[in-house]
Amino acid sequence: AQTVTQSQPEMSVQEAETVTLSCTYDTSESDYYLFWYKQPPSRQMILVIRQEAYKQQNATENRFSVNFQKAAKSFSLKISDSQLGDAAMYFCAYRNSNSGYALNFGKGTSLLVTP
Amino acid sequence: EPEVTQTPSHQVTQMGQEVILRCVPISNHLYFYWYRQILGQKVEFLVSFYNNEISEKSEIFDDQFSVERPDGSNFTLKIRSTKLEDSAMYFCASSEAESGVEKLFFGSGTQLSVL
Repeated sequence: AQTVTQSQPEMSVQEAETVTLSCTYDTSESDYYLFWYKQPPSRQMILVIRQEAYKQQNATENRFSVNFQKAAKSFSLKISDSQLGDAAMYFCAYRNSNSGYALNFGKGTSLLVTP
Repeated sequence: EPEVTQTPSHQVTQMGQEVILRCVPISNHLYFYWYRQILGQKVEFLVSFYNNEISEKSEIFDDQFSVERPDGSNFTLKIRSTKLEDSAMYFCASSEAESGVEKLFFGSGTQLSVL
């Protein structure tokens, strides 16, 4: 079974600075999908960014970008110009390409943004 | 942006009682999911549902659990005889399609407390 590991339970960043959240995963598949979801205090998980494993180019969504290292099975999230509204729990998730509908989540990283 | 709605936000029940958690997915979505998160643990997949039948379920989703789309708009999760270990946050999600990179839209969750 695939496992997703987020080794940082908590991270802190100052407003306007850059922070990187780490995620590693374990899989024997060659084709799969990776996601970062944000869970603010409202509890509703919101998709931040997604990456298809067959694409070499790192995904980018405005201030959010990923560093996808397929050989290392690493999928880190970089948040640039951090804003107070970025404070939330961030979950890394994995999904197989050829089987199943389930997202496999990591345990999450709680991001604190300080003024 | 359209939202997935879950009710109630918090439900307290006695062990052995039946509970029904309710969700209204986004109206044009065809795929529906339930996930749960026990306090301090990662978000876990329970079940996916498409075309009025279960597409996939996890080991957690045993005979005590069932899902239903009773009226074309609601999507419910029933736990027949709750156990203490069923206490968790339950998230409903929906998606327009089931392609691997498809975005899931999550509700704000129902916190189930079994006493």
